[in-house]
Amino acid sequence: EAQVTQNPRYLITVTGKKLTVTCSQNMNHEYMSWYRQDPGLGLRQIYYSMNVEVTDKGDVPEGYKVSRKEKRNFPLILESPSPNQTSLYFCASGQAWPGELFFGEGSRLTVL
Amino acid sequence: AQTVTQSQPEMSVQEAETVTLSCTYDTSESDYYLFWYKQPPSRQMILVIRQEAYKQQNATENRFSVNFQKAAKSFSLKISDSQLGDAAMYFCAPNNDMRFGAGTRLTVKP
Repeated sequence: EAQVTQNPRYLITVTGKKLTVTCSQNMNHEYMSWYRQDPGLGLRQIYYSMNVEVTDKGDVPEGYKVSRKEKRNFPLILESPSPNQTSLYFCASGQAWPGELFFGEGSRLTVL
Repeated sequence: AQTVTQSQPEMSVQEAETVTLSCTYDTSESDYYLFWYKQPPSRQMILVIRQEAYKQQNATENRFSVNFQKAAKSFSLKISDSQLGDAAMYFCAPNNDMRFGAGTRLTVKP
């Protein structure tokens, strides 16, 4: 089944404790991106990657890191999480740019 | 930054009726794509409909259609014969940079 898989789906952590949200797609897509969703703000892009080893900042990259060492994986790293990073995070992938995005099921992150 | 505006935070429609969700945007590009995505309570985002800006004909997908006004930079979504399963958040992403609007929450009343 074609899908984008994110883990963990839910996480509660404390300020400053590094965490990684994994994202993997099995559709051989070139493009991948991360969004955060906050009430009233819609989806805001954090980082995106047009292909392997190429990543670029989106609108809200502060406090986040990403890497794209393999085509299928695009982890989101929070080196020192803070409460303002409490949000719902989505990973997405697409075959071509611009084009339809396929989304993961979302990861609900709470930073205390 | 280019902006996307969904001016209706919430909309309500009676089952079997028609509802239109609005979206306006700002872009300096002449050729681009426009998308509407649906996010049901399960949170999974799924594509509803896509429009290419160079096409004059409005896209349709079963009960979903768009009214694309390129000069006005407007891209509204019309849902006909609304069903209970249409209840969701709807996001427009009217540009190649995939910025999304803030969303419209659609409620369908039985």
